[in-house]
Amino acid sequence: KAGVTQTPRYLIKTRGQQVTLSCSPISGHRSVSWYQQTPGQGLQFLFEYFSETQRNKGNFPGRFSGRQFSNSRSEMNVSTLELGDSALYLCASSLVQGQPQHFGDGTRLSIL
Amino acid sequence: AQTVTQSQPEMSVQEAETVTLSCTYDTSENNYYLFWYKQPPSRQMILVIRQEAYKQQNATENRFSVNFQKAAKSFSLKISDSQLGDTAMYFCAFSLRGNEKLTFGTGTRLTIIP
Repeated sequence: KAGVTQTPRYLIKTRGQQVTLSCSPISGHRSVSWYQQTPGQGLQFLFEYFSETQRNKGNFPGRFSGRQFSNSRSEMNVSTLELGDSALYLCASSLVQGQPQHFGDGTRLSIL
Repeated sequence: AQTVTQSQPEMSVQEAETVTLSCTYDTSENNYYLFWYKQPPSRQMILVIRQEAYKQQNATENRFSVNFQKAAKSFSLKISDSQLGDTAMYFCAFSLRGNEKLTFGTGTRLTIIP
């Protein structure tokens, strides 16, 4: 069974641009969560989607948004990029609530 | 709000020895899950072990076991017969029952010395 797949693995953008990251969950998993990992702030929860609906949201500005498609694949979008958005963005999927979350390899986003 | 604290930023141990990583958490809720995740340099976050708060029995997965003290809000990870492949960042994490949001600690960088 394929794991959680995140694309691209690396991305370089400049300030002010926008970016879209993609996450394909494990087959059959309907919950997808996104996390931001930085050296200063550690791992922080961005949001969670289940059956195309956002169920939970972390404390991030409105520039961070996401969506989930009918096949459970998810995308997150960051608009008007800032230097502080440089981070590893991790996606995790789970079968149902309470079951362990399985993580992808992440997308390393660098803002110049 | 829930918080997770890992007070050991770095640890190192000789191969084949036993090491214990500490984690404390704070919550006013009664139903929750606790996790240990491992993140090697390859950066993928890998689930090591999971504990359900309503279960008194400590979880065990091969060489990995936990000491779950609910009253003390403590959740330590013991790695027995440590191996070079155990070198990684270890994160303690918490989630409420019915909520997928994981709250992570700051991590412990574990190095296994050959």
